[in-house]
Parts: sequence; C-alpha cells; structure tokens
Amino acid sequence: QKEVEQNSGPLSVPEGAIASLNCTYSDRGSQSFFWYRQYSGKSPELIMSIYSNGDKEDGRFTAQLNKASQYVSLLIRDSQPSDSATYLCAVIGAGSYQLTFGKGTKLSVIP
Amino acid sequence: GAVVSQHPSRVICKSGTSVKIECRSLDFQATTMFWYRQFPKQSLMLMATSNEGSKATYEQGVEKDKFLINHASLTLSTLTVTSAHPEDSSFYICSAEAGQGARNTEAFFGQGTRLTVV
Repeated sequence: QKEVEQNSGPLSVPEGAIASLNCTYSDRGSQSFFWYRQYSGKSPELIMSIYSNGDKEDGRFTAQLNKASQYVSLLIRDSQPSDSATYLCAVIGAGSYQLTFGKGTKLSVIP
Repeated sequence: GAVVSQHPSRVICKSGTSVKIECRSLDFQATTMFWYRQFPKQSLMLMATSNEGSKATYEQGVEKDKFLINHASLTLSTLTVTSAHPEDSSFYICSAEAGQGARNTEAFFGQGTRLTVV
C-alpha cells in the first residue's frame, strides 16, 4: 500500500512568516512529487512539482526533495492570509502514473 | 497551466436517480483522465482511471456498475453515478494529463462537482 503522510495541522503562522509543510512517502521508487493547494469547497490547484533531489524555487514557494529520507517539503515565504488553505502532497510511485495524495495540511496565516 | 473543465459544479438529485458529470480538457488532448472522490475533511481518493478508447480501471472497492465511466474522445470523459443514494453525496473531481506515464506529466484538475443526493 503506497502511503503519503502529512501532518493534518492546522498549522498557524503569522503574516510575513515562513510556513513549512512536510510530507513523507512510503514508496522508495517514487519519481514525481507535487504540491497542490486546495481552498475549501474548491478543487486542488498545482503549485509545484519536483523530480530531483534538492530545492526548487518558484516565487515565494520552495519545494525540497530528499529521496533518501523519502521526504518532500514546501516552504512558503512571506506568508499571506490568501495562502490559508489545505496543502496536499501528491506522489507518483514507481511504475505508475497515478497520483497518491496525502490527507493534506491545513495552513492558517494570521494577519 | 492546462485547463480542465468539469460540469456541473453542483447538483442535487433524488435518491435512485442517475447523475452524469462531464470532464473536458480544453486546450490539450488527455489520453488519461482520473476520477476522484473527496469526503469532507478527507483527502482525494482515486476512484478510477479512464483511458481514451478503452475500459476504465477501477480502484478496489469502487463499483464499476454504479460509477460508469466513458472516455469516448481525447477531450471528454464522463462519470455517471447510477441509482444514487445519500451516501454517494460527495465532491467528485476529475483530472487530466497529457501523455501516458511520462515522468514529468502533471495532472490538472477540474473545478469539481458537489453532488448531494436527497
């Protein structure tokens, strides 16, 4: 059973701070990793994808991948109240093209 | 990013009736589409994988005769919830991706359909 684990939160950070979201996965052969943001009652929207070890930066977002530790994270710099949402980690396992989602971490950015 | 359109966004139906949900890729051809269901405060659970021109692959525990999937073209997949019951009330979301099994393929989601069965 392929699993993706996230802390459900809620994670509360003050406006302007760095929010750090973490995710672990069980399938060591996984190759593709994604972070989605989901506002309440809406469908997920893709924020970042990462495929290689290390950091990938896009604006205020940085994804970090460590395949040896089976760990992927998302950093949000200068957090804004509009960043308040549930963040879903998703992984495509080895030999698959299906996404396995974590349960999501609810982020609340306090003005 | 790619655009995936899902319709309707919200539907209320009576118990025992059927509901059809459409998922369209607007600016790309989607050889594979996925149907998810999300209950409140839960993550997305994959229901089935839909490949154009072939039968859908259903996840364990998902009744294929209840959730009919048709992927007749490269831009359209439909999910029909047959003989809906209140326990089928959920948020149904489709996603589409280009290519098949490409390592860097990204999935884009439709807007979702909130189904309420009364």
